[in-house]
Amino acid sequence: QVTLRESGPALVKPTQTLTLTCTFSGFSLSTSGMCVSWVRQPPGKALEWLALIDWDDDKYYSTSLKTRLTISKDTSKNQVVLTMTNMDPVDTATYYCARSYTAMATGDAFDIWGQGTMVTVSS
Amino acid sequence: DIQLTQSPSFLSASVGDRVTITCRASQGISSYLAWYQQKPGKAPKLLIYAASTLQSGVPSRFSGSGSGTEFTLTISSLQPEDFATYYCQQLNSYPFTFGQGTRLEIK
Repeated sequence: QVTLRESGPALVKPTQTLTLTCTFSGFSLSTSGMCVSWVRQPPGKALEWLALIDWDDDKYYSTSLKTRLTISKDTSKNQVVLTMTNMDPVDTATYYCARSYTAMATGDAFDIWGQGTMVTVSS
Repeated sequence: DIQLTQSPSFLSASVGDRVTITCRASQGISSYLAWYQQKPGKAPKLLIYAASTLQSGVPSRFSGSGSGTEFTLTISSLQPEDFATYYCQQLNSYPFTFGQGTRLEIK
């Protein structure tokens, strides 16, 4: 069974750096075609894709946020970490991680999602 | 970046109705489009990938069509559990982008 779970602080102050961890099970990020993305959703608003890391350690970022984002993986721990610098109240959102597996028929689509973690940015 | 525009943004319908949601891309994306359903307080759920392929376990009343720049999600006969928000996502090129969502509510 494939599962993903996000963890991190529920509250951060403006200008601080946010570090979120996605811990997964049921698959390996060293498997060819495997990818993990981060997606966020401000309260009452739409989904926003943030970043993706693949099995080969290639990384892709949102154009508007790429200067603030870093995605990395620890294959041995089955974890993907997202850091976002210079947090602002507009970054208040639920942050999700999601899996895609290009070797499957679903391709790049996000077939399994974590439950999400709410992050509030406030002083 | 490729922009996705969904219409309508809000849809009110009754159980048993047939509804269609449209997603338009700012440039051609072949069939690299997915549809997700999201219920309040829950993570999105993959419904359709490659524009028209139903994800395993998704009821057959859901269908998708289109290629290039125009895509549709159709629910043939609305059930009470279908009232949710629906998002399209393009997977043609990075950065991946989502539409702004279509909220489907009970009339």
